[in-house]
Amino acid sequence: KQEVTQIPAALSVPEGENLVLNCSFTDSAIYNLQWFRQDPGKGLTSLLLIQSSQREQTSGRLNASLDKSSGRSTLYIAASQPGDSATYLCAVRPKNRDDKIIFGKGTRLHILP
Amino acid sequence: SAVISQKPSRDICQRGTSLTIQCQVDSQVTMMFWYRQQPGQSLTLIATANQGSEATYESGFVIDKFPISRPNLTFSTLTVSNMSPEDSSIYLCSVEGPQPTQYFGPGTRLLVL
Repeated sequence: KQEVTQIPAALSVPEGENLVLNCSFTDSAIYNLQWFRQDPGKGLTSLLLIQSSQREQTSGRLNASLDKSSGRSTLYIAASQPGDSATYLCAVRPKNRDDKIIFGKGTRLHILP
Repeated sequence: SAVISQKPSRDICQRGTSLTIQCQVDSQVTMMFWYRQQPGQSLTLIATANQGSEATYESGFVIDKFPISRPNLTFSTLTVSNMSPEDSSIYLCSVEGPQPTQYFGPGTRLLVL
């Protein structure tokens, strides 16, 4: 059974620092992996999607990597800003398209001004 | 990308009452998904709604408690029936896009007193 874990559960860093959020999954047979951002009490905004055949994806200050063999993905945020404060969720889509997406519990990020 | 709207954005309800949440998508989609996110938790899939057929419910969720309608390819409703404080959550509508990627609505924040 696929399990998705995000560590740490919460993180506070000073503004301007580069940071890495971690996501691990137990079954390497995935179709793709998606990173989301969620502001308090709001819905999810898709940040990056990595297909199983890809190693990384970039969007602006965000870079997501995928290492299927080790069951890991990282989300790198460069030059962090207070507006980056949110919860970041990782979600894995299994290889079998009929199986449901599995979400991690998220990392709550706070950027200190 | 799909643009999803939900109504209401938030509500405070009394125990024993019911609330119907609406989800509207700006394009035609085959499947729509309803998720629940309890305080401090990750997302849990309630059911998948296909147009023209009964919704498929996940383990732990039943139609009597969470009836779903899917009258056309751009609209769905989720009703939370006979509410109790344990139903206090964010309810999220979602659709699947190309690649495939998952898109979410802004959520409905429900508080049951």
